[in-house]
Amino acid sequence: GEDVEQSLFLSVREGDSSVINCTYTDSSSTYLYWYKQEPGAGLQLLTYIFSNMDMKQDQRLTVLLNKKDKHLSLRIADTQTGDSAIYFCAESPGSYGNNRLAFGKGNQVVVIP
Amino acid sequence: DVKVTQSSRYLVKRTGEKVFLECVQDMDHENMFWYRQDPGLGLRLIYFSYDVKMKEKGDIPEGYSVSREKKERFSLILESASTNQTSMYLCASSSPGSSTGELFFGEGSRLTVL
Repeated sequence: GEDVEQSLFLSVREGDSSVINCTYTDSSSTYLYWYKQEPGAGLQLLTYIFSNMDMKQDQRLTVLLNKKDKHLSLRIADTQTGDSAIYFCAESPGSYGNNRLAFGKGNQVVVIP
Repeated sequence: DVKVTQSSRYLVKRTGEKVFLECVQDMDHENMFWYRQDPGLGLRLIYFSYDVKMKEKGDIPEGYSVSREKKERFSLILESASTNQTSMYLCASSSPGSSTGELFFGEGSRLTVL
């Protein structure tokens, strides 16, 4: 499958900002996604960005996309204890088609009160 | 509230047993997927299906099979469970007509093979 790379662990103090990074492989991916997995639960779509955008802001979330470097980041402002989770980036490679996504290995974020 | 439901949250099976993991979605989605999630390896696609009675191999199909007899139901089958199949299994669904390609996930089935 396609390779989506993520670092594995991040701890952050409550109220600080946290940044999670991801590199993806397929420049033809139409959308790039961030999914959140809370403890004991499945994944939920957190936010996404269309490939022709550089940045998307959604309340405390900022997604930055660098297509040249195939780099995606998620910034969470004013991190809260409810943000403790595993965050997965995902791409929709053009070679896959039809909603098949390639996921990164996930980044565990631990928020320290 | 739209839902993907996995019938068993926790299962414990013995080596060599046949295991069925069931997944049902109520969103009339054509696409359904089975992933396994392991620490440090992320999500890996086992099998997927774009229509009833249709199935395609994902990245790690060995040791697994699937069944899609009805649109809403996608079953993962371990013909003879082995200890290396101890994992979290996640089912997901999506609509090919979705503008964003979002996947909707179930809560997962944690399988332990002894």
